[in-house]
Amino acid sequence: EAQVTQNPRYLITVTGKKLTVTCSQNMNHEYMSWYRQDPGLGLRQIYYSMNVEVTDKGDVPEGYKVSRKEKRNFPLILESPSPNQTSLYFCASSLGAYNEQFFGPGTRLTVL
Amino acid sequence: AQKITQTQPGMFVQEKEAVTLDCTYDTSDQSYGLFWYKQPSSGEMIFLIYQGSYDEQNATEGRYSLNFQKARKSANLVISASQLGDSAMYFCAMRGFTGTASKLTFGTGTRLQVTL
Repeated sequence: EAQVTQNPRYLITVTGKKLTVTCSQNMNHEYMSWYRQDPGLGLRQIYYSMNVEVTDKGDVPEGYKVSRKEKRNFPLILESPSPNQTSLYFCASSLGAYNEQFFGPGTRLTVL
Repeated sequence: AQKITQTQPGMFVQEKEAVTLDCTYDTSDQSYGLFWYKQPSSGEMIFLIYQGSYDEQNATEGRYSLNFQKARKSANLVISASQLGDSAMYFCAMRGFTGTASKLTFGTGTRLQVTL
């Protein structure tokens, strides 16, 4: 089944404790992206990747890192999480830059 | 810079009626794409419909159609014959085609409630 998977789905952590949210797609998509969703703000793009080893900042990249060492994986790294990073995170992928994006199920992160 | 505006935080519609969800956009890109996504209470994002800026015909997908008015920079979603399962959050989004960079910008969403 074609899909985007994210892990974990739910995470509660404390300020400053490094964490990684994994994202993987099995559709051989070139384009991958991370978003955060906050009430009243819609989805905002954190980082995106056009292909392996090609990443760029979205609208809200501060406090996040990404890497794209393989085509299928695009992990999101929070080196030192803070409470303002409490949010619902979505990973998405698309065949190319101009195609519709398919979303993962979301990761609900709480930083205490 | 790209911007998407959805001015209706919430809408109600009776079952079997049609409903229009508004979306206006702003961009300096000559070529762009417009998308609508549905987010039910379970949280997943479901792609509904796509309209390219150079498409002459309005996009349709089953009960969904996109009323694209380029001069007015609007891309409203029309849902015909609403069903209870259409109750969800709906997001309008735009993707600019500038060189090799491509960013998807979302609006703040409209919550649709379908009533009996």
